[in-house]
Amino acid sequence: NAGVMQNPRHLVRRRGQEARLRCSPMKGHSHVYWYRQLPEEGLKFMVYLQKENIIDESGMPKERFSAEFPKEGPSILRIQQVVRGDSAAYFCASSIGPGDQPQHFGDGTRLSIL
Amino acid sequence: GQQVMQIPQYQHVQEGEDFTTYCNSSTTLSNIQWYKQRPGGHPVFLIQLVKSGEVKKQKRLTFQFGEAKKNSSLHITATQTTDVGTYFCAEANTGNQFYFGTGTSLTVIP
Repeated sequence: NAGVMQNPRHLVRRRGQEARLRCSPMKGHSHVYWYRQLPEEGLKFMVYLQKENIIDESGMPKERFSAEFPKEGPSILRIQQVVRGDSAAYFCASSIGPGDQPQHFGDGTRLSIL
Repeated sequence: GQQVMQIPQYQHVQEGEDFTTYCNSSTTLSNIQWYKQRPGGHPVFLIQLVKSGEVKKQKRLTFQFGEAKKNSSLHITATQTTDVGTYFCAEANTGNQFYFGTGTSLTVIP
């Protein structure tokens, strides 16, 4: 069973550009979570999605950030007009069910803003 | 928002010494999960505790859930260099969010 696949592993963008981060959950998993992690810090919840639905996006900034999990294809975290403060590691996790199920993490995307 | 605190934030131990990290919440936790993240890596699920007072063991690791379900601990006996990493507790509930603790970074000195 392939694990959670995230790409790209590293992404460099200039200020004002767009960043698209992709996440393919584990086979059979329909619940996807996105987290942001700054160096030496914990994981900050951003958004929770199920297929075609955003369940909870309370941890995601209302401007410039959006997420989707279409019926076909990977989940996408999109950051428009990136700023230096967006530099971080973004992790995606998937689970077989909601809430209290173990989460399986991808290797993350390290986003650097020049 | 809800916050799960962990102490200590950092811990340096000599190889062979024991290590404990504590996870505390101001509210009752429905259940708790523990994850390990190696430097430069991603979090990896270790275990889930559900019942009040529950104790689970994985080789040298012992996990406990408090009687009041407001705290939890992870104890490692006779640490090895492979134990290096950051250990996170996380509250898993039937709601939508997933609250990770602040983490304890463990350094093992050979």
